[in-house]
Amino acid sequence: EEQLRESGGGLVEPGGSLRLSCAASGFTFSGYSMNWVRQAPGKGLEWVSVIGSSGSRIYYADSVKGRFTISRDNAKNLLYLQMKSLRAEDTGIYYCARERKVTPAADYWGQGTLVTVSS
Amino acid sequence: EIVLTQSPSTLSLSPGERATLSCRASQTVNSNYVAWYRQKPGQAPSLLIYGAYNRATGIPDRFSGTGSGTDFTLTISRLEPEDFAVYYCQLYGSSPLYIFGPGTKLETK
Repeated sequence: EEQLRESGGGLVEPGGSLRLSCAASGFTFSGYSMNWVRQAPGKGLEWVSVIGSSGSRIYYADSVKGRFTISRDNAKNLLYLQMKSLRAEDTGIYYCARERKVTPAADYWGQGTLVTVSS
Repeated sequence: EIVLTQSPSTLSLSPGERATLSCRASQTVNSNYVAWYRQKPGQAPSLLIYGAYNRATGIPDRFSGTGSGTDFTLTISRLEPEDFAVYYCQLYGSSPLYIFGPGTKLETK
């Protein structure tokens, strides 16, 4: 059974840093692109970043470009999101999600980890 | 930048009724890159439809997706209690890479 489990969220002051992790199991992690998607409290979904299966394809939303870095460790089945210069508007639940291979869509999602940026 | 609009923003129906949710793109898009998700309260989103009309694994046939060009529709033929949730359409391949619509909240009448 495909599973994704995020960790690393918490309370951080504006300007601070945080690293999120996503542990994958039940599928061949190295064969799939992976995404981070976030959701501000009471709001809709916002795509954050994607990384290709080998790590060579990386894209970011403009709202996080230059501040967030996505990476992966295929040997450990782990996806990461390093977040720096955090702002209040980065507050929300961060989900990792697997990208389907042929017709892109996010077919499996973790339960999310909450990031709160506040002083 | 392509914008996705979903209507209605809220839909009030009863179990057993038929729901029709709309997603409109601000310009013509590739239907292969249109998907629909359901997000139940307090849960992560889950994929319902990909490629505009293909049901994801385990999704019952009461869910169907149609559309092309700029207009796409998610139809739920007979509402079950677990279907009262928020539904998002999504487009891949634009800038940003994934765009989500603002969502339609399906609530119990």
